Amino acid sequence: GAVVSQHPSRVICKSGTSVKIECRSLDFQATTMFWYRQFPKQSLMLMATSNEGSKATYEQGVEKDKFLINHASLTLSTLTVTSAHPEDSSFYICSAQTGTGGEYEQFFGPGTRLTVL
Amino acid sequence: AQSVTQLDSQVPVFEEAPVELRCNYSSSVSVYLFWYVQYPNQGLQLLLKYLSGSTLVKGINGFEAEFNKSQTSFHLRKPSVHISDTAEYFCAVRSYSSASKIIFGSGTRLSIRP
Repeated sequence: GAVVSQHPSRVICKSGTSVKIECRSLDFQATTMFWYRQFPKQSLMLMATSNEGSKATYEQGVEKDKFLINHASLTLSTLTVTSAHPEDSSFYICSAQTGTGGEYEQFFGPGTRLTVL
Repeated sequence: AQSVTQLDSQVPVFEEAPVELRCNYSSSVSVYLFWYVQYPNQGLQLLLKYLSGSTLVKGINGFEAEFNKSQTSFHLRKPSVHISDTAEYFCAVRSYSSASKIIFGSGTRLSIRP
């Protein structure tokens, strides 16, 4: 089946530093990838939609200069949290979309837990 | 726009008992419906989905869900739960457009008691 990986699975960083999270579709090509954020005991909130070769579309309230998204290839999207602060600590999950003929499906990565000290 | 309501934030049940997790949705257009499961500190795994056809959908791990258009519901059921079913369950919808987003419900934490 379709597998999506994320790296790293956990990261701890100091306040003010930047952190890059990778999302890869391992056995399929994904023209569209999504980035979600999940706070403890809450649902997933979509942050942005990433299309290969074009700029990401950010949801309302998400700072595009703080959460940089790059979708350089059909199998890789990266999320960079710039100048991270403790309030950015969260569980970040990506998903990759595949499908044709109107039946699209998203496959989710295992998530990355970011802790900013 | 679409929205998903999961009325029960927590559902405790005894092992081997049946369970139903409720999900209602709102949408002005036709949607696909999904149930995802999330185990602690992990990503989401698709349990089942309704695209079209039979309103009773069977998924993995013995779960099933029934689409009820008139009641705009998509409740998840399992006749006999196991300790390993302890997890967070999310109901979700997505419109037919390929570029549309998945809208998640707030989640239901299923806890199984021995």
